[in-house]
Amino acid sequence: GAGVSQSPRYKVAKRGQDVALRCDPISGHVSLFWYQQALGQGPEFLTYFQNEAQLDKSGLPSDRFFAERPEGSVSTLKIQRTQQEDSAVYLCASSPDRANYGYTFGSGTRLTVV
Amino acid sequence: QKEVEQNSGPLSVPEGAIASLNCTYSDRGSQSFFWYRQYSGKSPELIMFIYSNGDKEDGRFTAQLNKASQYVSLLIRDSQPSDSATYLCAVANQAGTALIFGKGTTLSVSS
Repeated sequence: GAGVSQSPRYKVAKRGQDVALRCDPISGHVSLFWYQQALGQGPEFLTYFQNEAQLDKSGLPSDRFFAERPEGSVSTLKIQRTQQEDSAVYLCASSPDRANYGYTFGSGTRLTVV
Repeated sequence: QKEVEQNSGPLSVPEGAIASLNCTYSDRGSQSFFWYRQYSGKSPELIMFIYSNGDKEDGRFTAQLNKASQYVSLLIRDSQPSDSATYLCAVANQAGTALIFGKGTTLSVSS
C-alpha cells in the first residue's frame, strides 16, 4: 500500500484482556516506530525497530507491553492484562532511515479498556 | 528526561493573520526538528523539518531554529480556517531512534 496501515482501527478490551495491534509499514521502510497518544497529549515514544532488530524499547511503560517485527516488515504491539490507563491511540510510523528525517504515521488504533 | 515544551493554547487568530507557534527543547545536542499538524481524530502529519539555524520557508509556512536558545518556531502566514488544528513540535533524540514530541498547541483560525 501507499501508506502505513494499522489494524484494527478501534479496539474495545475488557480490563485484564490481552490485545494485539498490527502495523504494516510503507514497503521498503527500514525503520518502524510505535507511539502512544493519550487524549490531549502529544505522542509518547514506545519502541523502535530497524528491520527486525528492536534497537530502542526505552518507552515501553511496563513489561505488559511487548513489540515484535520478526521479518523486518509487519510489526505487532501486544499489551497483556490491559488496564484502564492503557486506553489511548496507538500510532505506528515508518521511515526509510532513522528518526532524524521525520516519518509518516498510520491512522492509529484507538484502544479503549473498559 | 529530555523535554519539548509548547504552550497548549488555544491560540486564536483571524483569517489572513500570521500565526506564531513556539517550542523549546532541553537537549542541547539535538540536531533535527520537526513540526507536525494534527486534525482532531486524525494522526499527525509532517509539515516542516529544519536542521540548521535560521529560517526555512515552504509556501505559507516558515520554520525558525535558534540552537543557542534551544528554540524552534513555526510561522503560518495568511492563516486560513483550514489551518485550525493542533501543531506538534518534535525533536529527534541524538541516537536517531525516536522523535520526542511536545504536547501540542491548538490553533483556531476564525473567518
